[in-house]
Amino acid sequence: QQQVKQSPQSLIVQKGGIPIINCAYENTAFDYFPWYQQFPGKGPALLIAIRPDVSEKKEGRFTISFNKSAKQFSLHIMDSQPGDSATYFCAGHGGATNKLIFGTGTLLAVQP
Amino acid sequence: DTGVSQDPRHKITKRGQNVTFRCDPISEHNRLYWYRQTLGQGPEFLTYFQNEAQLEKSRLLSDRFSAERPKGSFSTLEIQRTEQGDSAMYLCASSLYGQGNSYEQYFGPGTRLTVT
Repeated sequence: QQQVKQSPQSLIVQKGGIPIINCAYENTAFDYFPWYQQFPGKGPALLIAIRPDVSEKKEGRFTISFNKSAKQFSLHIMDSQPGDSATYFCAGHGGATNKLIFGTGTLLAVQP
Repeated sequence: DTGVSQDPRHKITKRGQNVTFRCDPISEHNRLYWYRQTLGQGPEFLTYFQNEAQLEKSRLLSDRFSAERPKGSFSTLEIQRTEQGDSAMYLCASSLYGQGNSYEQYFGPGTRLTVT
């Protein structure tokens, strides 16, 4: 019940395209859903996060869409750039614990 | 730089040796977390502290692992009698509990451990 399932495992888009990464969770006690961006050899960097009381959140070119009834959420990257090429992780937080439960990651390549 | 820092960045050790890693959180943050990340996977929770108290430990944290945060500031993670399966990136994160965005965890650059 603690899992967060993430798809796709990898994604290739052209510059200017809109990659979409999807996550599904099982634990209905989760109350915070962040997305992290990680470059090779670096630690994960907090990108954007959402609480389950809203259905969408935008920050710059990054948008989270949240569907509480389906227990799913997704990250959209508008006008993607080669510099967005990285691994993206979704996560869930809450319930009886203060830890983050991460998905398995999506390796995004944005081709120029 | 006022972010989370970790030292060393890389550590190569022989099986059976002990290693210790250090994490310095963002200065006003009262919660500190340790995660482990293996290649191609997301970070997995190991343990966390609120101030100097260790409040939760994962089943991943075997008896060979110990973590401390003696004065509620920096933390150390020690692995005794290292095994090849301990090879991973060890990540530290911190957060400010009790404020509006207390769920936000900020990660350091990690310590890459290779056990030969």
